[in-house]
Amino acid sequence: NAGVTQTPKFQVLKTGQSMTLQCAQDMNHEYMSWYRQDPGMGLRLIHYSVGAGITDQGEVPNGYNVSRSTTEDFPLRLLSAAPSQTSVYFCASTRGQNYEQYFGPGTRLTVT
Amino acid sequence: GQQVMQIPQYQHVQEGEDFTTYCNSSTTLSNIQWYKQRPGGHPVFLIQLVKSGEVKKQKRLTFQFGEAKKNSSLHITATQTTDVGTYFCAGPRYGGATNKLIFGTGTLLAVQP
Repeated sequence: NAGVTQTPKFQVLKTGQSMTLQCAQDMNHEYMSWYRQDPGMGLRLIHYSVGAGITDQGEVPNGYNVSRSTTEDFPLRLLSAAPSQTSVYFCASTRGQNYEQYFGPGTRLTVT
Repeated sequence: GQQVMQIPQYQHVQEGEDFTTYCNSSTTLSNIQWYKQRPGGHPVFLIQLVKSGEVKKQKRLTFQFGEAKKNSSLHITATQTTDVGTYFCAGPRYGGATNKLIFGTGTLLAVQP
C-alpha cells in the first residue's frame, strides 16, 4: 500500500493564480482531511470529508474548495492564491472517528 | 473557542536527559492522540488515550491522560538523537461527531549528542 500520496511536493505560485493540490489514499478510508501547517500554529483544519460526496468546512476554509467524487481522492483547490496561503499542506485519512490519522508527505506552497 | 495548548514550545536537551511535554485543553476531551513529526517530514501517529487517568508506555515514551480528561503529557526517558522532532497532541473538537481534530501547537525537541 502507498498509503496517502500528495502531489506536487513543492509549488510556487504568483498571487491570483489558481491550482489544485492532489491527495489520494489506497486504504479505503472514509474520512479525509486537509490541514495547513504554519510555524508556531500547529496544524489547522481546512476542509474535511466523511465519505464520497460529503464535505464540510474546518477552521480555516476561506480561499479553498474541495470535492470528494471518489473514496480515494480528495483534491484541494486554491481559487486565487494569496501570500497568506504560503504554507505546508497535509492531507490525511482515517478509517473513522477516534482512529489515528495517516498523513501524506505534504505539499510546500509558496505564493509570491 | 476550543483550544489545545502545549508547553514548552521548544526544548533543547543533552542526549540521555529526560524530556516532558504537556498538553492542555480548554474543554474535556473524549480521547487524545499524540503525533511525532520529524524535521521536514509529516506527522506520524504515536498513540491514543481514552480513559481518565490512563497511562501507556512505548519503550522509553510514557503517555498520560489526566483524570479530568483535559490534559495529557508525554515523557521521554533518556532521550536519543532519534527523538528529535515536534510532538503534537490532538483531540476531537467539542461536539464533533466526525474526525475533526484540533491539534496542539506542538513542542519541538532538539537533542544534542
